[in-house]
Amino acid sequence: NAGVTQTPKFQVLKTGQSMTLQCAQDMNHNSMYWYRQDPGMGLRLIYYSASEGTTDKGEVPNGYNVSRLNKREFSLRLESAAPSQTSVYFCASSEANGSPYEQYFGPGTRLTVT
Amino acid sequence: QKEVEQNSGPLSVPEGAIASLNCTYSDRGSQSFFWYRQYSGKSPELIMSIYSNGDKEDGRFTAQLNKASQYVSLLIRDSQPSDSATYLCAVTFAGNMLTFGGGTRLMVKP
Repeated sequence: NAGVTQTPKFQVLKTGQSMTLQCAQDMNHNSMYWYRQDPGMGLRLIYYSASEGTTDKGEVPNGYNVSRLNKREFSLRLESAAPSQTSVYFCASSEANGSPYEQYFGPGTRLTVT
Repeated sequence: QKEVEQNSGPLSVPEGAIASLNCTYSDRGSQSFFWYRQYSGKSPELIMSIYSNGDKEDGRFTAQLNKASQYVSLLIRDSQPSDSATYLCAVTFAGNMLTFGGGTRLMVKP
């Protein structure tokens, strides 16, 4: 039981390049989330998916898109990377119908945009 | 704006002491409260959840919730150097979305 997995672990992009961050969970959770964490800013929600087939914007969605591919997988896409998107990105999942809203995090992706 | 406030620290305590971490939140309607531990370079790890006023104990950890004062705290008894980490308070304001505080860095000195 791997929990929440993320790929890649590290990535360096040039300004304007695109990439997709992958996230998968094997806990049969309904809800999945993407956060970014910056020094002094804490964790901020980018997008979330309350259930398969739905996605919603969080606090900082600009410059990102998401896809809930199936119940297990939730990807985050940067279409045209900017230096302001340099951050650590965490995926999380939760079972809203069970333990209320307890979220479990993946190991993170460290992204640098030059 | 829904807010969760924590003192950034560092909070320094000697080994074996009680560490007290505090968090305040802005919305009286909040229902669910969580404490996460994050080691440097690692992801947040859920250590406590609390939903009702009062205390909840789990091993060396005690979470305390006072909804009237909009205050939640985490006590770590018999603090160990391995407890040195950043502790994040998180609160649900709407649906199943969490809002996180900025975290308090705890240093336990041998």
